[in-house]
Amino acid sequence: RKEVEQDPGPFNVPEGATVAFNCTYSNSASQSFFWYRQDCRKEPKLLMSVYSSGNEDGRFTAQLNRASQYISLLIRDSKLSDSATYLCVVNGGSSNTGKLIFGQGTTLQVKP
Amino acid sequence: DAGVIQSPRHEVTEMGQEVTLRCKPISGHDYLFWYRQTMMRGLELLIYFNNNVPIDDSGMPEDRFSAKMPNASFSTLKIQPSEPRDSAVYFCASSSGQRETQYFGPGTRLLVL
Repeated sequence: RKEVEQDPGPFNVPEGATVAFNCTYSNSASQSFFWYRQDCRKEPKLLMSVYSSGNEDGRFTAQLNRASQYISLLIRDSKLSDSATYLCVVNGGSSNTGKLIFGQGTTLQVKP
Repeated sequence: DAGVIQSPRHEVTEMGQEVTLRCKPISGHDYLFWYRQTMMRGLELLIYFNNNVPIDDSGMPEDRFSAKMPNASFSTLKIQPSEPRDSAVYFCASSSGQRETQYFGPGTRLLVL
């Protein structure tokens, strides 16, 4: 089993749609959670951290369920510029907090 | 402010040759990470340093790979000898703390023929 699992997609949605991505992780000791965004042939960039209480940044909402070891990202009113690969990221647990483990990514294509 | 700088941006070499990838982290960052990204395996951590000291090299695939950080502003990842299966994008990232945001460089696209 992979340490971080995501549905690779692609998700093809029209502009204005709401889309949700899910991710599961295997290490119950992981303490930090993130969503990164990667554009084609570019480097990954932090989109947002994910907090236990859930957090929102504009059109983006992240949720964490520690009991189920499940992370989600919701994008509302999607824009063409949201087209990218979204990477679910967790840290390596309490004994290795500096290590980040990346999921394979979920590809989103927003169409006009 | 300058971000993470990597060189070269592209490298094409023949099997058996030595390859050296370079990275300059963001000034003041004391964590430096080397990643490899392929279609098959995604983004994998190879090794990371804290204050120039290697902390976790469990991701380094084999002895052909080595990484050094002689000072706070420079790191190298060396592959010797290179093989076609080493073809990938190699990213360097840095952060100001163990739990802080990692900032990635633009990557080095390596093709080993």
